[in-house]
Amino acid sequence: QKEVEQNSGPLSVPEGAIASLNCTYSDRGSQSFFWYRQYSGKSPELIMFIYSNGDKEDGRFTAQLNKASQYVSLLIRDSQPSDSATYLCAASTWGGAQKLVFGQGTRLTINP
Amino acid sequence: DAEITQSPRHKITETGRQVTLACHQTWNHNNMFWYRQDLGHGLRLIHYSYGVQDTNKGEVSDGYSVSRSNTEDLPLTLESAASSQTSVYFCASSEVGLAGFYNEQFFGPGTRLTVL
Repeated sequence: QKEVEQNSGPLSVPEGAIASLNCTYSDRGSQSFFWYRQYSGKSPELIMFIYSNGDKEDGRFTAQLNKASQYVSLLIRDSQPSDSATYLCAASTWGGAQKLVFGQGTRLTINP
Repeated sequence: DAEITQSPRHKITETGRQVTLACHQTWNHNNMFWYRQDLGHGLRLIHYSYGVQDTNKGEVSDGYSVSRSNTEDLPLTLESAASSQTSVYFCASSEVGLAGFYNEQFFGPGTRLTVL
């Protein structure tokens, strides 16, 4: 069973601090990794995508990938109350299979 | 603007009834997916399609079926609804990027289904 694992939380972070969300995956064939944000009652929306080892930054968000450790993380700097949501990690393989395998999501709460 | 829509947004049905959930996308994407989302389980793949006349089973396909007669639509049918199928259902679509690695899925607004 190809799995993506996340700590379901809830993760509580004070406003202005760094929120760190983690994800591990079991399939070494996974090539691309996605972080989706989902507000309560809404559909998931993509916030970050990474496929190379190392860091990728986009505004306040940084995605980190370590393929040797099969580990993906998302850092949110200067956390805002509007960042409170569930964050879903997803992995996909290349080679024709364009499915995404999702983790169970981490619920993040930013406290003012 | 291109979009993906689902209907109905809310549905209440009885055990044993056949139910069809509609998904329509105007992105002209070849790939379409159906997920269910339950507390503690994240998004679980039900069925998916890589093009017209192509359908494939996902990890939780029992009791569900799909058909793909055109690019825009992938309806999901519950053959005989069961209480265990009470869930929120999301449809998504994607296209493979030029690099081959980028396959962002765009999600519809979801359908909340209750089976009594």
